[in-house]
Amino acid sequence: DTGVSQDPRHKITKRGQNVTFRCDPISEHNRLYWYRQTLGQGPEFLTYFQNEAQLEKSRLLSDRFSAERPKGSFSTLEIQRTEQGDSAMYLCASSLVTGWTGSYEQYFGPGTRLTVT
Amino acid sequence: GDSVTQMEGPVTLSEEAFLTINCTYTATGYPSLFWYVQYPGEGLQLLLKATKADDKGSNKGFEATYRKETTSFHLEKGSVQVSDSAVYFCALVSGYALNFGKGTSLLVTP
Repeated sequence: DTGVSQDPRHKITKRGQNVTFRCDPISEHNRLYWYRQTLGQGPEFLTYFQNEAQLEKSRLLSDRFSAERPKGSFSTLEIQRTEQGDSAMYLCASSLVTGWTGSYEQYFGPGTRLTVT
Repeated sequence: GDSVTQMEGPVTLSEEAFLTINCTYTATGYPSLFWYVQYPGEGLQLLLKATKADDKGSNKGFEATYRKETTSFHLEKGSVQVSDSAVYFCALVSGYALNFGKGTSLLVTP
């Protein structure tokens, strides 16, 4: 078990450019989550997937953000036309939930730090 | 909506001191509660959890008890080490996501 991995770890981009981040969850986990964390704050939920289906999106996820999880494995988060306010740490987490019960423990990756200049 | 409030930091302690980080929550029902820790430059690591009232979560010398009467989940450790210096986040399950507090920074000095 190698844990949740994210790539890249750091990204610097100019305002208006598009960026894409990748997350590889723990292999047997069926749920995958994206969070955003700004300096001095706790992580804020953005969206989550159950297998390949995107089931919930936060109001924080504007139409410039899109996430996918093809085949229920890795996931990508794309931000189009980046703005300086998008600068943050983007965290991915995964969990295993079966049936109507299951642990709500989420395991986090190291994050991708985005800086928009 | 559901929310978590943590004591503000930074908290600075000497090695071997007793640690308490306060966490209170507002929620409908009795959600599972968690403490996560974030070391500098790293992602969040699950430290401990409690899934129902009066449960005590423990790990690595840290403990927290789910108190529904006071809607609290305070984190404690009897003797902190320099290696415990990190940011600690209290969180609850809200729907399918975790709701986090703002985090409490802990610095332990030799």
